[in-house]
Amino acid sequence: DAKTTQPNSMESNEEEPVHLPCNHSTISGTDYIHWYRQLPSQGPEYVIHGLTSNVNNRMASLAIAEDRKSSTLILHRATLRDAAVYYCILRDVRGYKLSFGAGTTVTVRA
Amino acid sequence: DAGVTQSPTHLIKTRGQQVTLRCSPKSGHDTVSWYQQALGQGPQFIFQYYEEEERQRGNFPDRFSGHQFPNYSSELNVNALLLGDSALYLCASSLGQGLAGTDTQYFGPGTRLTVL
Repeated sequence: DAKTTQPNSMESNEEEPVHLPCNHSTISGTDYIHWYRQLPSQGPEYVIHGLTSNVNNRMASLAIAEDRKSSTLILHRATLRDAAVYYCILRDVRGYKLSFGAGTTVTVRA
Repeated sequence: DAGVTQSPTHLIKTRGQQVTLRCSPKSGHDTVSWYQQALGQGPQFIFQYYEEEERQRGNFPDRFSGHQFPNYSSELNVNALLLGDSALYLCASSLGQGLAGTDTQYFGPGTRLTVL
């Protein structure tokens, strides 16, 4: 599996945007970029995914670099409920598993 | 919609014993994946079941086995328990059709297994 690199932790203030970076320099042309998050004492939940173009949904936006070697998950207005571990995952179209790394622990200050 | 459910919530076993964990997928889903999450780490993929067959397996020993039933529910069995098997076991469901890299997996709350 292609590897991703994320910062261990990030802090944000409530109602401010959060930009979570992810480096994936060995990404292949068929790898999709997925983001999941895990709130305390819960299973992971899907956030967003994309291939080449930027993507938006009700939870977040995903900005993908033109060379696809990095991406950024954007939470537009952080709330206390967004405090979680965020995982950036590359998925090949031939693979069924999710390969989680250590993720980024996001803390939101009130 | 009940979402993914898992039972039991917590379980305590001793070394050498065997354990069975259960998972009911989200309504309409036909695929179940199992993950192991040690404390402070990300989940690790154990295997995935689709159409009652193991479709992909992670780097886990044969002590870990599974089953999927015709109603798509699934069991994870672990034999000869070791202390290192203590972890949160997560079940995720998804739709098996379509492009593998794009499906969304929906996770249950997990079963906390403690091996003494």
